[in-house]
Amino acid sequence: GAGVSQSPSNKVTEKGKDVELRCDPISGHTALYWYRQSLGQGLEFLIYFQGNSAPDKSGLPSDRFSAERTGGSVSTLTIQRTQQEDSAVYLCASSFDGRSGNTIYFGEGSWLTVV
Amino acid sequence: ELKVEQNPLFLSMQEGKNYTIYCNYSTTSDRLYWYRQDPGKSLESLFVLLSNGAVKQEGRLMASLDTKARLSTLHITAAVHDLSATYFCAVDMSQAGTALIFGKGTTLSVSS
Repeated sequence: GAGVSQSPSNKVTEKGKDVELRCDPISGHTALYWYRQSLGQGLEFLIYFQGNSAPDKSGLPSDRFSAERTGGSVSTLTIQRTQQEDSAVYLCASSFDGRSGNTIYFGEGSWLTVV
Repeated sequence: ELKVEQNPLFLSMQEGKNYTIYCNYSTTSDRLYWYRQDPGKSLESLFVLLSNGAVKQEGRLMASLDTKARLSTLHITAAVHDLSATYFCAVDMSQAGTALIFGKGTTLSVSS
């Protein structure tokens, strides 16, 4: 399909392990976002990529979290030394240009459970 | 720190009734988004409001934006069961170099 694609859709990991979550934005979209949603909660901003600009990392909750976006397309969110409080749905979104009021489309999310 | 407050957080409505969800925010922004989320699903874009006074309507939902009051409303007309979902507003902070900042959401339940 032509939507935002995320993988894996579900991940169960042991506390202390590292995980990588992948996001394929819609083709041609220059803006890419990562959010986290804990059970029954709102969306917590994590990081925002806009074209070739330096990403806004102000939402990353700790230095265990990092993200990169290679070639202006695919992004990977990495969580090191996972903790139980990291259990949540990680949502990726993209838009044609994040500065221009374009519609922002969300993927189906990666459901992370840390046991 | 930007605050985005929605109220009510929970809303139980009867079919056929009207109601309004409010979204207040604490800093300057000319743009606001509304999303719908069904249980276990991702977010579906409903409206993008791009200027003061913007009004958009789709079916039984109408959204408006007053940037001077820092207030957006989502009005539901003659509610039907299919509108049961969680509705989020999100303030666009891209002009400040960052992303959408979301409210906590309003969970709507429509019963007959």
